[in-house]
Amino acid sequence: EAGVVQSPRYKIIEKKQPVAFWCNPISGHNTLYWYRQNLGQGPELLIRYENEEAVDDSQLPKDRFSAERLKGVDSTLKIQPAELGDSAVYLCASSLGSSNTDTQYFGPGTRLTVL
Amino acid sequence: GEDVEQSLFLSVREGDSSVINCTYTDSSSTYLYWYKQEPGAGLQLLTYIFSNMDMKQDQRLTVLLNKKDKHLSLRIADTQTGDSAIYFCAEKRAKYTGTASKLTFGTGTRLQVTL
Repeated sequence: EAGVVQSPRYKIIEKKQPVAFWCNPISGHNTLYWYRQNLGQGPELLIRYENEEAVDDSQLPKDRFSAERLKGVDSTLKIQPAELGDSAVYLCASSLGSSNTDTQYFGPGTRLTVL
Repeated sequence: GEDVEQSLFLSVREGDSSVINCTYTDSSSTYLYWYKQEPGAGLQLLTYIFSNMDMKQDQRLTVLLNKKDKHLSLRIADTQTGDSAIYFCAEKRAKYTGTASKLTFGTGTRLQVTL
């Protein structure tokens, strides 16, 4: 069974440019998460989807970040415009549901470098 | 405090046991996890423990939980060079309404295994 797929794996852009990351969760997983992992830190949740609905986006910087999961499967995370401080690894994870017994499985991440 | 705390670095010799410690924050957290991250890769779930357990063993891995002190540890027996990675503990906090599946990660412990 395929795991969580993310693309691209690496992205280098100049500041003020837009960038988008794509995630395909494990088949059948209803809940999808986007995390940001800064260098030397653990991942921090940006947004969580249950099917198409964003149920927790309290940590998403809404002035420049947006996300969508139109058909309840794949998801896209966008930054526009990117800032230097956005350099990080963006991780996508998925789980069957969102109850306490559900385990999150992570993709390999997209490493973003903003110059 | 609000941060999940881990020591930054641990070095052990191949064949010895490794013990990685974590102090979490929320006494109502229901599940506690250990994830492994190898260079350039996403997080791989190693094991987890439910909060009503004191210990869980899974092959070379032993998890100990002290709820009173909010302390979690991961013991790796017969540590191998392939165990070199960053290990993250994470708690599933139940205190936030509507975010029952929110994972809060520690900063990670880098395990170095020497010959």
